[in-house]
Amino acid sequence: SQQGEEDPQALSIQEGENATMNCSYKTSINNLQWYRQNSGRGLVHLILIRSNEREKHSGRLRVTLDTSKKSSSLLITASRAADTASYFCATDAAYGNNRLAFGKGNQVVVIP
Amino acid sequence: ETGVTQTPRHLVMGMTNKKSLKCEQHLGHNAMYWYKQSAKKPLELMFVYNFKEQTENNSVPSRFSPECPNSSHLFLHLHTLQPEDSALYLCASSQIAGGRNEQFFGPGTRLTVL
Repeated sequence: SQQGEEDPQALSIQEGENATMNCSYKTSINNLQWYRQNSGRGLVHLILIRSNEREKHSGRLRVTLDTSKKSSSLLITASRAADTASYFCATDAAYGNNRLAFGKGNQVVVIP
Repeated sequence: ETGVTQTPRHLVMGMTNKKSLKCEQHLGHNAMYWYKQSAKKPLELMFVYNFKEQTENNSVPSRFSPECPNSSHLFLHLHTLQPEDSALYLCASSQIAGGRNEQFFGPGTRLTVL
């Protein structure tokens, strides 16, 4: 089954810098979603991009989707210490069973 | 997080105990999910309920037994667990419509099996 795979797995940056992480997947999708998880807590939905969209913005977040390469990127601009978290991509398969396949997550540490 | 609540937040149990995890969603959603999150592994989907009907059982051992009495409540009954079942158990809900399936998660139950 398809599964998102984030790259890089861990990222440490200074406050104010941008953080970029990538996700790849294997099969056709309806949409791709990014979630954030603070340590030991539930996941929080950040942004959804449909398969017919190429770029989407939400505040300091920018997501791109390249369906030909089966990949997506999440950019966090002007990072803050509060952005320290794990970030997951999740794909909603095109065969329509409404099941999300999550990647392993990408740990981001923003140093104040 | 307040849209989906989970109790208890922490649970320690022996292998012979029986316990239940509870999840409640206040969002009017039509689907609910149980996930298991272990260290260094992707989130594992365990069960899916659409309109109270179980639509997926992802090869989960029978020592985990879900129950969905109505569209707002979901339980996970646990019995004779193994130490490797120790993990964070997350409940989520979503409104499946129009090709969108954003999921809203509860804070999770941290389970430790001794």
